[in-house]
Amino acid sequence: QKEVEQNSGPLSVPEGAIASLNCTYSDRGSQSFFWYRQYSGKSPELIMFIYSNGDKEDGRFTAQLNKASQYVSLLIRDSQPSDSATYLCAVVKTSYDKVIFGPGTSLSVIP
Amino acid sequence: GAGVSQSPSNKVTEKGKDVELRCDPISGHTALYWYRQSLGQGLEFLIYFQGNSAPDKSGLPSDRFSAERTGGSVSTLTIQRTQQEDSAVYLCASSFVLTSGPYEQYFGPGTRLTVT
Repeated sequence: QKEVEQNSGPLSVPEGAIASLNCTYSDRGSQSFFWYRQYSGKSPELIMFIYSNGDKEDGRFTAQLNKASQYVSLLIRDSQPSDSATYLCAVVKTSYDKVIFGPGTSLSVIP
Repeated sequence: GAGVSQSPSNKVTEKGKDVELRCDPISGHTALYWYRQSLGQGLEFLIYFQGNSAPDKSGLPSDRFSAERTGGSVSTLTIQRTQQEDSAVYLCASSFVLTSGPYEQYFGPGTRLTVT
């Protein structure tokens, strides 16, 4: 089992719809969770982090964490063509552990 | 403030040559990471530094790859006797290390390595 898994994608949604990106992780001791966005040919950039169970909202983005189910998701409301990118889920256990990235999900928002 | 910088931005080298890639992290960031990303692929973890020590070297693909970090700042990734399969974008990231809470990574622009 891979340490961090994501929807294989590509995921296509129409403009204005909600895009739902999912991530599962294998280490139950994981404490911090991140979503990065990577445009083609660019470096990843942080969108959100979450470390408590529940929802965390930032503008059109909502991260959801369920540690019991070892599941973290990212919802993008009112999707825009500019949201078209690869979304990377990242997980870290403690401050002395490496950050583990998932393989990424490619999102395409269709105008 | 200044972000993570990497040099060179592009490197073309002949098969069998050695290359050095440099990463200058954000000032004060004690953790530094190297990743490799081939075209259309995800991030492949290479090595991770806490200060000058490397608690995890598990991602280095072979003994041709090595990395060091001096003064808790700049890091150099060295690839000896380069092979065509080494061609990729090499990304460096840095972060604070806290006793609790999230540890956001900030990525540099990457070095695109092409081995001919």
